Amino acid sequence: DAKTTQPDSMESTEGETVHLPCSHATISGNEYIYWYRQVPLQGPEYVTHGLQQNTTNSMAFLAIASDRKSSTLILTHVSLRDAAVYHCILLTSSSFSKLVFGQGTSLSVVP
Amino acid sequence: GPKVLQIPSHQIIDMGQMVTLNCDPVSNHLYFYWYKQILGQQMEFLVNFYNGKVMEKSKLFKDQFSVERPDGSYFTLKIQPTALEDSAVYFCASSLKDCQDTQYFGPGTRLLVL
Repeated sequence: DAKTTQPDSMESTEGETVHLPCSHATISGNEYIYWYRQVPLQGPEYVTHGLQQNTTNSMAFLAIASDRKSSTLILTHVSLRDAAVYHCILLTSSSFSKLVFGQGTSLSVVP
Repeated sequence: GPKVLQIPSHQIIDMGQMVTLNCDPVSNHLYFYWYKQILGQQMEFLVNFYNGKVMEKSKLFKDQFSVERPDGSYFTLKIQPTALEDSAVYFCASSLKDCQDTQYFGPGTRLLVL
């Protein structure tokens, strides 16, 4: 499975914008970049995904490098509810895809 | 977003007993998944299921594990017999399509095997 690299932890302050980086140097051309987040004792929550173009939704903005070897999840005006472990996952084009979770980035948000 | 439900939320059983974990997937989804997460560890894929068949399973999906979705009802994970190392949180997920489609997760069933 293609691998991603994320910092173990990051900290932000309420109301700020936080940039969560993800490196995927060996990404294949047909692999999507998915972001999920998980808070303790809950199931993972879908955040966003993209292939080549930057994407945005109500939860986050995903910036994908032009060579696709890295991406950044951008959360604006973070709140305490955004504190979670954020997972950057590559989803292969094979049928019946499975998500391969790593350690992710533990984002803490302070008041 | 779409909701996946799991029943029960917690289950405590004695080693060697059988347990069935139930998942109510998103109503129009066709692909179903189970993942296992031991406390403090990464979540790991167990199995995926489509059209009444297991399509792929991991090494964690032991012979004591089985899945089914009889007549479009709950998608179930059965463990028979259970072992101590089966204690974990089991998450169900579903997606509308197969490859590269968004999977939506349930809240998990916390299984404790004594």
